[in-house]
Amino acid sequence: DSGVTQTPKHLITATGQRVTLRCSPRSGDLSVYWYQQSLDQGLQFLIQYYNGEERAKGNILERFSAQQFPDLHSELNLSSLELGDSALYFCASSEGNWDTEAFFGQGTRLTVV
Amino acid sequence: TQLLEQSPQFLSIQEGENLTVYCNSSSVFSSLQWYRQEPGEGPVLLVTVVTGGEVKKLKRLTFQFGDARKDSSLHITAAQPGDTGLYLCAGAGNTGNQFYFGTGTSLTVIP
Repeated sequence: DSGVTQTPKHLITATGQRVTLRCSPRSGDLSVYWYQQSLDQGLQFLIQYYNGEERAKGNILERFSAQQFPDLHSELNLSSLELGDSALYFCASSEGNWDTEAFFGQGTRLTVV
Repeated sequence: TQLLEQSPQFLSIQEGENLTVYCNSSSVFSSLQWYRQEPGEGPVLLVTVVTGGEVKKLKRLTFQFGDARKDSSLHITAAQPGDTGLYLCAGAGNTGNQFYFGTGTSLTVIP
């Protein structure tokens, strides 16, 4: 158990819909990272928040957005879903900024039908 | 984007054999990490290497960072079924604000 909690574990939704994935970081960790893992693209970094502020952006689509709340939990919002958005979405957390050890949650498996 | 290519993509070996997984790039990384991911789980960090030429050992696993900090290898001695999983390398970008993950090597160790 990494200490990072992601909900829900599985999500099935239709194209065009909007979903919210939730992440609770390890106690004391200030950074939250979101990743997308698919068979053809591998593990892709989406976005990072540190203590409530966006710190880094990767390959995140404009249809996707995220935020980190004062209690440090984070949400990833995916809208206007397409079939190609089906993937595993991971949240990771770390104590500090980059170059510190990051702990991954178990992921949310999103299936868009 | 700084790309990391891993080879082989798939590896199936018998218990007790040795193996090496490679992680190569044309980019220089300030540090490199190796993770193992088991089915249904998130990646788990195994090691971080930061100095060109650095070698780190973790029981039966030996990690090496290339002198030019563009490549790395993971060598497993006497593989066990518990080593089965997806091995991912990840390099820290030059701007220091993200890790770029490799394409992954799926290892199966047959008892």
